[in-house]
Amino acid sequence: SQQGEEDPQALSIQEGENATMNCSYKTSINNLQWYRQNSGRGLVHLILIRSNEREKHSGRLRVTLDTSKKSSSLLITASRAADTASYFCATDVDYGQNFVFGPGTRLSVLP
Amino acid sequence: ETGVTQTPRHLVMGMTNKKSLKCEQHLGHNAMYWYKQSAKKPLELMFVYNFKEQTENNSVPSRFSPECPNSSHLFLHLHTLQPEDSALYLCASSQVSTAGNTIYFGEGSWLTVV
Repeated sequence: SQQGEEDPQALSIQEGENATMNCSYKTSINNLQWYRQNSGRGLVHLILIRSNEREKHSGRLRVTLDTSKKSSSLLITASRAADTASYFCATDVDYGQNFVFGPGTRLSVLP
Repeated sequence: ETGVTQTPRHLVMGMTNKKSLKCEQHLGHNAMYWYKQSAKKPLELMFVYNFKEQTENNSVPSRFSPECPNSSHLFLHLHTLQPEDSALYLCASSQVSTAGNTIYFGEGSWLTVV
């Protein structure tokens, strides 16, 4: 199965609510990154967390990393309709030689 | 605008055609990538070029032929493709280092093989 796997596959929430997405991986990593993709567009980098970090914040985003459980979570607080997109985690296992992406979580934020 | 530009954005080609996808990065990065994104499948890494040298070829069929003439340009030459090759092809670049690098994507080229 994939190195990175997001959970849930799809998530639908109301505007203003928080959205939490999880990512699990199998091998040791150098860092883990989260990306957003609007329908039919390229992926946009959101946040990078290194293997020696446990939590990072960027605006309304909070990412945690638990290397003992090989898992990460992305929290989007006070969601907006514009947050509707697919979200992917990517693990860097070889210093940029190979980024492995999960299948993504489709987030729908309803107005 | 991510600094990675892909052309064309949309391409329709017959199975006997030869076409090319082009990618250019303006970020001064030393690595470039081709990914394939099909419906209901995770992003698949196809090729990696590091300092213009191909360092990864993920068992991609020979009907896809990459070319990296310099660290800013990357091509994907296509010939005798199959309908199942229809997908979004994403180019990306990064600065490979032990500090941890971010990968930047272009907007993608939508390919339809008829």
